[in-house]
Amino acid sequence: QKEVEQNSGPLSVPEGAIASLNCTYSDRGSQSFFWYRQYSGKSPELIMSIYSNGDKEDGRFTAQLNKASQYVSLLIRDSQPSDSATYLCAVLPGLTGGGNKLTFGTGTQLKVEL
Amino acid sequence: DAGVTQSPTHLIKTRGQQVTLRCSPKSGHDTVSWYQQALGQGPQFIFQYYEEEERQRGNFPDRFSGHQFPNYSSELNVNALLLGDSALYLCASSLFRGGNYNSPLHFGNGTRLTVT
Repeated sequence: QKEVEQNSGPLSVPEGAIASLNCTYSDRGSQSFFWYRQYSGKSPELIMSIYSNGDKEDGRFTAQLNKASQYVSLLIRDSQPSDSATYLCAVLPGLTGGGNKLTFGTGTQLKVEL
Repeated sequence: DAGVTQSPTHLIKTRGQQVTLRCSPKSGHDTVSWYQQALGQGPQFIFQYYEEEERQRGNFPDRFSGHQFPNYSSELNVNALLLGDSALYLCASSLFRGGNYNSPLHFGNGTRLTVT
C-alpha cells in the first residue's frame, strides 16, 4: 500500500463547476496535510494546509480532513481554466515520525474545459 | 521577500559524472529539504538539513550527499550519475526552529538534470 494515494486522472470538469480531488494516507499518526498545485514544468506551489478534522476554506478552495477515515480532499469551486494543473497531496508524519519530511502522492491532473 | 532559489535551472551530464546543485532557502527559514521528482511522479524525499546536519534521509543511495552552510544554504551532490538520476530536483525550505513540525515547505523552481 502506498503511503499517500491519489487518482492520477485526468479529472475533467467544465468551467464554473466544482472539482473534487481526493487523497488517502496510510500513516494513522499523520498530523498535517497539504495540497500543492504544480503546473507543467514548474515547481509545486502550496495552496492549502489542514491540521484538524473538518473543513477549511480559503477563497475558492476548501480542504476537508477526516482522520478516522484517513482521507483528505480538496474542492475547487467555480473552476477556471487557470486551475488546470496537477494537484499533489502531501502528508507530514506524526511527531514520532521525526521532523517535517513530506510524503507526496503521485498527483491528480485536473483539466478545466471551456 | 526572496523565495527559495536554486541553481542551475538546467544541467546535462554524462553517466558516471558528478553534479552539484545549489539552493538558498526562503528568507527566515532554517531548514532545507531536497526532493527528486521523476516525470509523472510526486516528489520523493532525499534528505533534510537543519543546523548544518543531515536530520532525515529517504531511500536514496550514498551517491546522494549534501551539505548545509551556516547561512542555511545547501548543496546536493550526486556521484557516479546513472541514467535513472534524470529528474527534476527540488529544494524546499521551512522554519523548524523550536520544533515547528507543521511548518509548510516552500519549493524553489527546481533544477532539471538530464543524464545521457
